[in-house]
Amino acid sequence: GESVGLHLPTLSVQEGDNSIINCAYSNSASDYFIWYKQESGKGPQFIIDIRSNMDKRQGQRVTVLLNKTVKHLSLQIAATQPGDSAVYFCAENKDSGGGADGLTFGKGTHLIIQP
Amino acid sequence: ETGVTQSPTHLIKTRGQQVTLRCSSQSGHNTVSWYQQALGQGPQFIFQYYREEENGRGNFPPRFSGLQFPNYSSELNVNALELDDSALYLCASSPGEGEQFFGPGTRLTVL
Repeated sequence: GESVGLHLPTLSVQEGDNSIINCAYSNSASDYFIWYKQESGKGPQFIIDIRSNMDKRQGQRVTVLLNKTVKHLSLQIAATQPGDSAVYFCAENKDSGGGADGLTFGKGTHLIIQP
Repeated sequence: ETGVTQSPTHLIKTRGQQVTLRCSSQSGHNTVSWYQQALGQGPQFIFQYYREEENGRGNFPPRFSGLQFPNYSSELNVNALELDDSALYLCASSPGEGEQFFGPGTRLTVL
C-alpha cells in the first residue's frame, strides 16, 4: 500500500551541528507535506509544511526540501540544540491538507543531540 | 500550546469494556481528526469529522466510532476493547485545510 516512511530510525548529532532527516513518500497524489516534532509524553508539534508547488521552504533554523521527481522530503535543522532532541515525523495529505483521508505519517526518526 | 485539549490524560480499561475519549478543538476550527499511535510508531488516522459529520475514515473497524458537537468538540468511542487498542489517542483540529494542531493525547491501557 501507499505509505510515508523514513530512512533512519535514529540520528545522533553533536550540539551545534546541522541535522538532516529524510523521508520517502509513495503517494504521487499527495500535495501537502508536514514535519512534526514529538517529545516524550506529548502530542506532535508542527514544525514546517510545504506544498507540492514548492521545492524549498525555510523557517526559523529549519528548512524543508521537496523533490517530487524521486518523492523525497527532507528536514534540515541548523545549529542543533539540546531542545531539538525528539522524534521527528513526516506526514502527507492531499487537497492542500484538507483531504478527508487524514494525514499519513511515517514511523519517525529519533534525533539525539550529543553534548 | 496548540489550544487543543484532551481528556482524560490516562485511562486503564479491561478487555471487552467500552471507552469514551474527549477532545476540545482550537477556537475557529471546524474539522477534527482522531489518530491512534502505538508505542514506537507514527500516528494512524482513525477518522475525521467536519461540521458534525464523519467525512473520512482510516482502516479501523466499526467498533471505533465518534461524534462531533455543534461547538466542534469531539468524542472517540471504542467498544469491545482489545489488548491491541492500548495506545496514545491523539486528536487534531484544523480549519479545513493546512496544518493540523494536535492535542497532548490520551494514553489508553487495556488489560
